[in-house]
Amino acid sequence: DSGVTQTPKHLITATGQRVTLRCSPRSGDLSVYWYQQSLDQGLQFLIQYYNGEERAKGNILERFSAQQFPDLHSELNLSSLELGDSALYFCASSPRVGGDTQYFGPGTRLTVL
Amino acid sequence: AQKVTQAQTEISVVEKEDVTLDCVYETRDTTYYLFWYKQPPSGELVFLIRRNSFDEQNEISGRYSWNFQKSTSSFNFTITASQVVDSAVYFCALTNRDKLVFGAGTILRVKS
Repeated sequence: DSGVTQTPKHLITATGQRVTLRCSPRSGDLSVYWYQQSLDQGLQFLIQYYNGEERAKGNILERFSAQQFPDLHSELNLSSLELGDSALYFCASSPRVGGDTQYFGPGTRLTVL
Repeated sequence: AQKVTQAQTEISVVEKEDVTLDCVYETRDTTYYLFWYKQPPSGELVFLIRRNSFDEQNEISGRYSWNFQKSTSSFNFTITASQVVDSAVYFCALTNRDKLVFGAGTILRVKS
């Protein structure tokens, strides 16, 4: 158990819908990262927050957004869902930034029908 | 740009065989960090090791060992006396500061 929690574990929804994925980092970790794992793209970095502020952005679609709250949990919002958004979404956390080990949550498997 | 190449898509071995997973990376940074993660069939990503670019010492942890060679930009992972429980996808990853850049992964199948 990495100490990072993600909910829900599975999510099945329809095209055009909006969903919210939730992540609680390890106790004491200030940095939260979101990654997407799909068969065609592999593991891709989406976005990072550090102590409530956005710090780095990857190839995150405009339909996707995220935030980190004062209690350091984070949410990833996916809207206008398409079939191609079906993937495993991971959250990771680390104490700081700059090369700290990232510990991953169990992931949320999103299926868009 | 940073890049990680895991040329071995899939490896099959018989239990108790030794197996080496290759990882080659590209970066222009002088300070960077390398990682290995394991993804078992259950799907989670499990951290195995972290190495910074200034530490080329090889590391051994039980049946696992890692060989870091800056001269060839490689960070290879060896499992000695493999076991069925080692069956998983193994990812090599690289970062200079924040985001991890992952390789495509190597599927390891250990047969009894």
